[in-house]
Amino acid sequence: EVQLVESGGGLVQPGGSLRLSCAASGFTFSDHYMDWVRQAPGKGLEWVGRSRNKANSYTTEYAASVKGRFTISRDDSKNSLYLQMNSLKTEDTAVYYCARSPYSNYYSDYWGQGTLVTVSS
Amino acid sequence: DIQMTQSPSSLSASVGDRVTITCRASQGISNYLAWFQQKPGKAPKSLIYDASSLQSGVPSKFSGSGSGTDFTLTISSLQPEDFATYYCQQYKSYPLTFGGGTKVEIK
Repeated sequence: EVQLVESGGGLVQPGGSLRLSCAASGFTFSDHYMDWVRQAPGKGLEWVGRSRNKANSYTTEYAASVKGRFTISRDDSKNSLYLQMNSLKTEDTAVYYCARSPYSNYYSDYWGQGTLVTVSS
Repeated sequence: DIQMTQSPSSLSASVGDRVTITCRASQGISNYLAWFQQKPGKAPKSLIYDASSLQSGVPSKFSGSGSGTDFTLTISSLQPEDFATYYCQQYKSYPLTFGGGTKVEIK
């Protein structure tokens, strides 16, 4: 059974940093692209970024709203995806989901339950 | 960036109704379109990928169609568990983008 479990959310001040983790199980993690998607309170879904798989050299893509502030990384030996968030702004307040793309396709077929990040003074 | 526009933003329907939601892309995306269902306080759930392929385990009352710029999600007979918000997403090019969502409410 595919499982994705996010952790690391919490309250942080504007300008601060936070690192989210996503623990994956039930599939061969290194084969899959992985995404971060966020949802501000009462709002729609916003794609944050993507980590490609080992075969594609773990390259990354980012939304313009987070590029230069957020960094996606992964550790295939730990079946884990990470989101390092720096220079946080109040508008980064959201539930952050990690999501998996199926092998050889590029949409998200499985999602974690999300972790809430609140940026406030 | 490719803009995804969903309509309507909300609708009221009765159990048993046939419901259609539309998603329009600002430029052609071939069939690189997915649909998701989200219930309050829960993660999104994949319904449809490649515009018309049903995700494993999703009931056949859900169907998707379209190609290029215009797409639809149809629920053939609305059931109580289908009341939720539905989102489309294009994955033709980066940044990946979602539609604004369609909230399906009980009439």
